[in-house]
Amino acid sequence: SYELTQPPSVSVSPGQTARITCSGDALPKKYAYWYQQKSGQAPVLVIYEDNKRPSGIPERFSGSTSGTMATLTVSGAQVEDEADYYCHSTDSSGDLGVFGGGTKLTVL
Amino acid sequence: QVQLMQSGPEVTKPGASVRLSCKTSGYTFSNYYMHWVRQAPGRGLEWMGIINSSGGSTNYAQKFQGRIVMTRNTSVSTVYMEMSSLKSDDTAVYYCARERVPKQWGAPDSWGQGTLVIVSS
Repeated sequence: SYELTQPPSVSVSPGQTARITCSGDALPKKYAYWYQQKSGQAPVLVIYEDNKRPSGIPERFSGSTSGTMATLTVSGAQVEDEADYYCHSTDSSGDLGVFGGGTKLTVL
Repeated sequence: QVQLMQSGPEVTKPGASVRLSCKTSGYTFSNYYMHWVRQAPGRGLEWMGIINSSGGSTNYAQKFQGRIVMTRNTSVSTVYMEMSSLKSDDTAVYYCARERVPKQWGAPDSWGQGTLVIVSS
């Protein structure tokens, strides 16, 4: 079955730039989406269709893709950005969804 | 505003079945697909499948094929997910999550509060 691969953890100091990657063979043809999930809460969509930001999401969140890799960038990370981040996409047929394993972002 | 109200927690035994519901409001029910996603304690998000709220067609993750059935009742704007042959590692929070855009699907952007299902003998 199709998989998306993320690093388990990323750590930065406040004000630094955090980059979280997601690799998958179908990403050149399928959109990547990114979710933020804080402890005990439902996920929140922070990036859709590779690089678009929903209303209400701070500008410091951005997305990009290159080949089989999608990247979520948090520019000037803040303590409140500490959370688990998940990428999401579909397989090459577009019939099945999949989440990456998640990345824990630590800002301290 | 979009609201997804999920049914209450379930405690059940191995081998049993469970039926979860997700009652929606604040939008045209039949225009949007609905995803089901689960999260085991301390684990990541797992996409289970999706239902077309209009026609009722479904796609299930291979892992759950033959063990889950998603249905909907348009008259009460509610979707359901039934899972059978439960095992202890099905213990998780189960979310319904509405697709972001109408009449197609890619990813959800509105989530229910989640239903905790505990499978224990």
